[in-house]
Amino acid sequence: DSGVTQTPKHLITATGQRVTLRCSPRSGDLSVYWYQQSLDQGLQFLIQYYNGEERAKGNILERFSAQQFPDLHSELNLSSLELGDSALYFCASSPGQGGFAGELFFGEGSRLTVL
Amino acid sequence: AQRVTQPEKLLSVFKGAPVELKCNYSYSGSPELFWYVQYSRQRLQLLLRHISRESIKGFTADLNKGETSFHLKKPFAQEEDSAMYYCALSLTGTASKLTFGTGTRLQVTL
Repeated sequence: DSGVTQTPKHLITATGQRVTLRCSPRSGDLSVYWYQQSLDQGLQFLIQYYNGEERAKGNILERFSAQQFPDLHSELNLSSLELGDSALYFCASSPGQGGFAGELFFGEGSRLTVL
Repeated sequence: AQRVTQPEKLLSVFKGAPVELKCNYSYSGSPELFWYVQYSRQRLQLLLRHISRESIKGFTADLNKGETSFHLKKPFAQEEDSAMYYCALSLTGTASKLTFGTGTRLQVTL
């Protein structure tokens, strides 16, 4: 499957812990986006990378960080976890870098539960 | 900042009835509008975009700049249309991110 892949699919951890979510974009796509979907919320944009560089930042908490590696996969690091961080985290990719986002290709998401 | 509003969390219609999923946006410039759909156990995927002016699976959406709306319509609902629908907005000339609404669940019943 050459689509966007995200690991892990499910993750349960405790408050105060740190987790890393991983995303591999579609083959050939240079942009990676991270979105957070909490209960009853839409998809909240966190951050975008293009070819290894940060391009846009949304409402990403300081406890969260991300990066895109030379092989274009991306990781979202969530630290000092709180109960409210429990959510579905989506990664998406697209070929382009700027202007219209155009079509984004989404992964299946990583469901994080903080107990 | 740009904002997308989908006033209905759930829309339930009978098979064969017309469907209209509402979407309003707030942005003074010229945005690009999209509808994304998530069927059960599938990934979120693009349904249609306003710039293409096309009909996908019988759905159409017209951008009304005066009313800042981009409602999704289908004349006759089918069972397979049951899904979660998200309206999204992207801006020109900026880093390309999509701003999503909170989504509307469409339930088509017999």
